[in-house]
Amino acid sequence: RKEVEQDPGPFNVPEGATVAFNCTYSNSASQSFFWYRQDCRKEPKLLMSVYSSGNEDGRFTAQLNRASQYISLLIRDSKLSDSATYLCVPSSYNTDKLIFGTGTRLQVFP
Amino acid sequence: EPEVTQTPSHQVTQMGQEVILRCVPISNHLYFYWYRQILGQKVEFLVSFYNNEISEKSEIFDDQFSVERPDGSNFTLKIRSTKLEDSAMYFCASVQREGLETQYFGPGTRLLVL
Repeated sequence: RKEVEQDPGPFNVPEGATVAFNCTYSNSASQSFFWYRQDCRKEPKLLMSVYSSGNEDGRFTAQLNRASQYISLLIRDSKLSDSATYLCVPSSYNTDKLIFGTGTRLQVFP
Repeated sequence: EPEVTQTPSHQVTQMGQEVILRCVPISNHLYFYWYRQILGQKVEFLVSFYNNEISEKSEIFDDQFSVERPDGSNFTLKIRSTKLEDSAMYFCASVQREGLETQYFGPGTRLLVL
């Protein structure tokens, strides 16, 4: 089983749409979870951390289900500038390396 | 806002040559990392570094690779004898404390080995 699994997409959505991405991870020892976004040929940039209780940051909502080893990201009111690859990134407490999957590509069109 | 910087942004080299990629982490950060991303593939961990020594390295980080922090600011990745398959984007990252904090990435160095 892959360490991180995401639907690679692409998800093509119109501006203003709501879109959700899911991610599963295999290492039950993972303690911290993050969503990064990566624009083409750029570095990964932190979008938000994911807390057990779920958290919201503006148009973005992240949820964590430890029992199912599942993380989700919801984007409301999509903007053209949201077009990017979204990376679900768990890390373990006893090793601080970040484990990246291939990510989910989002394309928002006018 | 403080940020991680990397130089050069692009480097082209001949197979077998040595390259040194440079990074300046955020000033109060203590943990440093190198990742690489081959075009079209996922970001892969190479090595982590703390207190002037390697804390963890991946299978990719073989004897051709080395890291050091020669002074209080720079953090370097050296590839001794580059191979064609070393062509990738190399990202440096840093964090103040390990564990639960997120890592901040530099803009990367695009390395092309001919």
